[in-house]
Formats: sequence, structure tokens, C-alpha cells
Amino acid sequence: DVKVTQSSRYLVKRTGEKVFLECVQDMDHENMFWYRQDPGLGLRLIYFSYDVKMKEKGDIPEGYSVSREKKERFSLILESASTNQTSMYLCASSPTSGSVNEQFFGPGTRLTVL
Amino acid sequence: AQSVAQPEDQVNVAEGNPLTVKCTYSVSGNPYLFWYVQYPNRGLQFLLKYITGDNLVKGSYGFEAEFNKSQTSFHLKKPSALVSDSALYFCAVSPNSGGYQKVTFGTGTKLQVIP
Repeated sequence: DVKVTQSSRYLVKRTGEKVFLECVQDMDHENMFWYRQDPGLGLRLIYFSYDVKMKEKGDIPEGYSVSREKKERFSLILESASTNQTSMYLCASSPTSGSVNEQFFGPGTRLTVL
Repeated sequence: AQSVAQPEDQVNVAEGNPLTVKCTYSVSGNPYLFWYVQYPNRGLQFLLKYITGDNLVKGSYGFEAEFNKSQTSFHLKKPSALVSDSALYFCAVSPNSGGYQKVTFGTGTKLQVIP
């Protein structure tokens, strides 16, 4: 089974702090994604990566950056956390083979910014 | 721009009754369509997908979905609901146009199965 793990289930940070969210997948998937999930808004794509050191902006990249130095690891960085970044953050991965494939999700990190 | 609409925030159904969770989409060209389920405090799990071919797609846990091109819909169905089906369900769409294409998710529908 594909396993996507996220470094923390719950995280509390203060406004202005630099925050790192880590995601690791163990199935050699080329594509990795970061979403945030908010009630009534569903999932919104922040960034995705289709290869090592490659990244593409999603729908809401402002205030975020990402890093993918190794194929299995995709990090989301909040350079200066703000209260409006309080949310559930979901990481996902998918293989590249033919059509658009289903994504495999991690358990999520609930981030609270005070 | 592509989009997904899930018109119901919540669907209540009695255990043993059939259930339907609605989804309509908008995309250029032909779509890839997906359903995911999210149980409390968990990430999303893939249920089923439509790529091409048969309009009725069967997936995990007894769920199926019907693709209707003329109505641009992809409703999720199950003949007999279980209490354990209570969860948040997301529909998603991506254009079927080669290469990687972004997947857009709906806002989710909470399914409550009443014992």
C-alpha cells in the first residue's frame, strides 16, 4: 500500500514564525501536492511538484513556498505565518503513467497560528 | 477554468436505503472524474474514477458513480447505506487532454447515515 506520511498531526505556531510542514511518500511517485482544506471551501491546491527540484504554483500559492530536494519528500514552508493560514494541510502523491491518476493522501496537519 | 459543484452540504439517509451524492462539473473537453471519501481526522481516500468507456463506474466499499455527459454530472450512489458510510465526500475533475492536468476538487458533501 502507498503510504504518505506528514511530520505532524497538530501544530501550533505564533504569528511571524517560519513553519515547515514535511511530507514523505514511499511509492516512488513522481507527483506530489500540497492542499489546504477549509470548511465550505473544499481542497485548494497550494503547490505541486512533478519531479525533483520542479514546482508549479497552484491556486493559492501566496504566503507559501515549497522544496523538493528528494523524490520522496515534499516540504511546504510558511515564511512568516499569519492567522489566516490556520487550516488543515494535506499532502498527496500520484504516479505519472498515462492518464491523470488518483492521488494518495497523508493524514493531514492541523495548523493553528496564534 | 474547470470547476466542480456539489450542491448539497449535507445528505441524510436512513441505514439500508439507497444514497446519492450529487456532483456536476465544468471542464474543457472530456473529463477525468474522481470521488474521494474522508473519514473524521483522516486524509482523503480514493473511491473511484471515470476515464472513458462505460458510464457506470464501480468502486470501493460498494459505491458506484454514473457519468452523464449531457448533464455534466457524476453522481455517487450506493444501493444500501451503512452507518459506517458516514463521512465527507469529495468530487474532483481534471481535463482529459494529455500530460499532467490540475485536479479541481468540490467543496465536499457530508453524508450522515442514520441508524
